[in-house]
Amino acid sequence: KAGVTQTPRYLIKTRGQQVTLSCSPISGHRSVSWYQQTPGQGLQFLFEYFSETQRNKGNFPGRFSGRQFSNSRSEMNVSTLELGDSALYLCASSFGPTNTEAFFGQGTRLTVV
Amino acid sequence: TQLLEQSPQFLSIQEGENLTVYCNSSSVFSSLQWYRQEPGEGPVLLVTVVTGGEVKKLKRLTFQFGDARKDSSLHITAAQPGDTGLYLCAGAQGGSEKLVFGKGTKLTVNP
Repeated sequence: KAGVTQTPRYLIKTRGQQVTLSCSPISGHRSVSWYQQTPGQGLQFLFEYFSETQRNKGNFPGRFSGRQFSNSRSEMNVSTLELGDSALYLCASSFGPTNTEAFFGQGTRLTVV
Repeated sequence: TQLLEQSPQFLSIQEGENLTVYCNSSSVFSSLQWYRQEPGEGPVLLVTVVTGGEVKKLKRLTFQFGDARKDSSLHITAAQPGDTGLYLCAGAQGGSEKLVFGKGTKLTVNP
């Protein structure tokens, strides 16, 4: 069974631009979470979606947003990019709201210049 | 304030040595997970522990959940170069599916 797929793998953007990242969860998984990973802060929770509804949100500014579609695929968007947004963005899928075992994609490496 | 503190932050050892890494918190978790992450890849789930005092073994890796469900340890016996990676612990608090991660222990096993 296919794992979590994130696209694109690598992205270079300029300050002020916006970016959309995509995540396809494992087939049958309905919960998708997003994390930002940087060397200094480690893995920081962004948000979690289940059945197209945002269930939890981390402490990130409103420039970070996401959504989930009826097929459980998810996208996250970052507007007005800043240099500090450079990071590895990871998507994790899990079966449902009571199952916390997360299966991660390979991530999208975003570099803001 | 980091909810989950991992120690040590870095560990470099020779092949064949044993090691233990720790994951500590003042908070109680309903479950705790350990992941290993290699450079350029996403974390891979190794184990989930849910019961206080629980011990789980995965080949040469032994995971223990503290009696009070506030801390955990990972012990590796006879480490091999293939064990090299970033080891992350993550805790789930009851009623929330939001996983809280420690900053990780970067392990290097030299041949």
